Amino acid sequence: QKEVEQDPGPLSVPEGAIVSLNCTYSNSAFQYFMWYRQYSRKGPELLMYTYSSGNKEDGRFTAQVDKSSKYISLFIRDSQPSDSATYLCAMEEQGAQKLVFGQGTRLTINP
Amino acid sequence: NAGVMQNPRHLVRRRGQEARLRCSPMKGHSHVYWYRQLPEEGLKFMVYLQKENIIDESGMPKERFSAEFPKEGPSILRIQQVVRGDSAAYFCASSPPGTPWEQYFGPGTRLTVT
Repeated sequence: QKEVEQDPGPLSVPEGAIVSLNCTYSNSAFQYFMWYRQYSRKGPELLMYTYSSGNKEDGRFTAQVDKSSKYISLFIRDSQPSDSATYLCAMEEQGAQKLVFGQGTRLTINP
Repeated sequence: NAGVMQNPRHLVRRRGQEARLRCSPMKGHSHVYWYRQLPEEGLKFMVYLQKENIIDESGMPKERFSAEFPKEGPSILRIQQVVRGDSAAYFCASSPPGTPWEQYFGPGTRLTVT
């Protein structure tokens, strides 16, 4: 079993829809939770990071962490075609100083 | 405000040759990480370095791979005697002091072994 599970998709939604992306994990020692966006043949771009449980909002993006369920989510409101990319979740144990990534979900926003 | 820089962006090597990948961290960052992304797979941690020190190399293959981050100059990931299975995208990331989870990635080097 992988430490971090993420549905690879692909996920296709119409422009303006709310997008929900999710990851589950098995390692209860994970304390930091990140979301990255990766365009084709580019490097991952850090979107947001959260510590422990709770919500964090940044513009159209909201990250949620539920440590009791070992489940994290990224919501994208008012989705745009420019949001079409692969979204990667990543996690880190405190003190480990290395990220463990999900496989990534390929998202397409259709105009 | 330059981000993480990697070069070359594309590298083609024949089996048995050496590959050298370079990474310059963001200004003010002293921690460097290397990750590998195989086709249709997620990113896998390889090694974490600070200036002149390898801190964690638990993700590095035991043979043919080495990494360094000298006092002056970029970090280098070196792959000796490359094989077809080494073909992948290699990404470097850096983080500010005190926030190792806050990693910023470079554009990557795409290595093709023929």
